[in-house]
Amino acid sequence: QVQMQESGPGLVKPSETLSLSCSVSGGSMNNYFWTWIRQPPGKGLEWIGYIYSSGSTNYNPSLNSRVTLSVDTSKNQFSLNLNSVTAADTAVYYCVRVGRKGSKPTNIDYWGQGTLVTVSS
Amino acid sequence: QAVVTQEPSLTVSPGGTVTLTCGSSTGAVASGHYPSWFQQKPGQAPRTLIYDTSNKHSWTPARFSGSLLGGKAALTLSGAQPEDEAEYYCLLSYSGAWMFGGGTKLTVL
Repeated sequence: QVQMQESGPGLVKPSETLSLSCSVSGGSMNNYFWTWIRQPPGKGLEWIGYIYSSGSTNYNPSLNSRVTLSVDTSKNQFSLNLNSVTAADTAVYYCVRVGRKGSKPTNIDYWGQGTLVTVSS
Repeated sequence: QAVVTQEPSLTVSPGGTVTLTCGSSTGAVASGHYPSWFQQKPGQAPRTLIYDTSNKHSWTPARFSGSLLGGKAALTLSGAQPEDEAEYYCLLSYSGAWMFGGGTKLTVL
């Protein structure tokens, strides 16, 4: 059974960088896409981006200039950096595993439990 | 940027059938949008019910099914149970960029 666990600071100051990690257990990271999705309190889901196990990335255009994803398959973890944060980045952040169909990320299966990050001074 | 539309709310009677839909501002939803459906209950992480239009996971109850219907992606619940009351989100892929719908609040009453 694959398990995923987000970790990182729960409070980040405006203009600083939000950094989260996701630890993956119960399965290999190879040949999967690894994704971050967020949900502001009381609102819907927003895709942040995904990274393939080889390191290739795809980001939400609305966040593209501020987001960096990285993956370390040897440590079974992947990470999110979101810079220049504002209160609008306050959200529960989820890490998600995605299987592929050919070269496309299509099979969204396991989710982490999510971690709330608040942006406030 | 595309907009993905869902019904804001729907109500179904216990044992009844309901269809939730997922439309795209760019036109008809196709298999190449790889539609996915997620269920989220209050205070919980979402869980994936359907991926790639109609594929189920091992944990997906048999009463849920996915399809393309009338130019939209559709999630059909046949034989609704009280525990199906939740928020449901769809997701579409636009050449690799993902977009979620705003969610449908499903009430079983």
